Amino acid sequence: ETGVTQTPRHLVMGMTNKKSLKCEQHLGHNAMYWYKQSAKKPLELMFVYSLEERVENNSVPSRFSPECPNSSHLFLHLHTLQPEDSALYLCASSQDGSNQPQHFGDGTRLSIL
Amino acid sequence: GQQVMQIPQYQHVQEGEDFTTYCNSSTTLSNIQWYKQRPGGHPVFLIQLVKSGEVKKQKRLTFQFGEAKKNSSLHITATQTTDVGTYFCADGDDYKLSFGAGTTVTVRA
Repeated sequence: ETGVTQTPRHLVMGMTNKKSLKCEQHLGHNAMYWYKQSAKKPLELMFVYSLEERVENNSVPSRFSPECPNSSHLFLHLHTLQPEDSALYLCASSQDGSNQPQHFGDGTRLSIL
Repeated sequence: GQQVMQIPQYQHVQEGEDFTTYCNSSTTLSNIQWYKQRPGGHPVFLIQLVKSGEVKKQKRLTFQFGEAKKNSSLHITATQTTDVGTYFCADGDDYKLSFGAGTTVTVRA
């Protein structure tokens, strides 16, 4: 399934680096999401964008900064990360509205040195 | 979204046997969605249940929504090695999902 594409697939960075994760969806959806998946923890919703407006920010540290320039693209800008931020970052998209199924990308495996 | 609890956390199944995983909530759910994540993969949507007492089948998988809409179950018959992975239930809200911790299934050949 290539409906939601995430780049890069793997990223290793130092705590002082700045990097960005990219997500692109080709499904015509108008809602996009960032999740964090750590080992032995439930999927954690980080941000929700609906019609390019941020509608949810789940108390995420400011070192994570999302950007949604249009309904097909979503970015997650990273700076001054901590080792505990190492995780799989998943992007998803869905049709806006109640209870629509979400389509996930393959994720970016992030490792903080 | 409301918090949903999944049990068991791990399920080790002999190939060919049946098993059931459960998803429970202390409050009424508007709907429940189920996802499967293969090892090294990403969550993939399986099904959505909306109505009280609803039952849906996908080949060897049977999904059920409780009468009170506070619990759901996934029953797999004649488990195969392709069933390996983590099964998540998620409570659907207006625009977001709250995922349970998942049931990770391993299969003994």
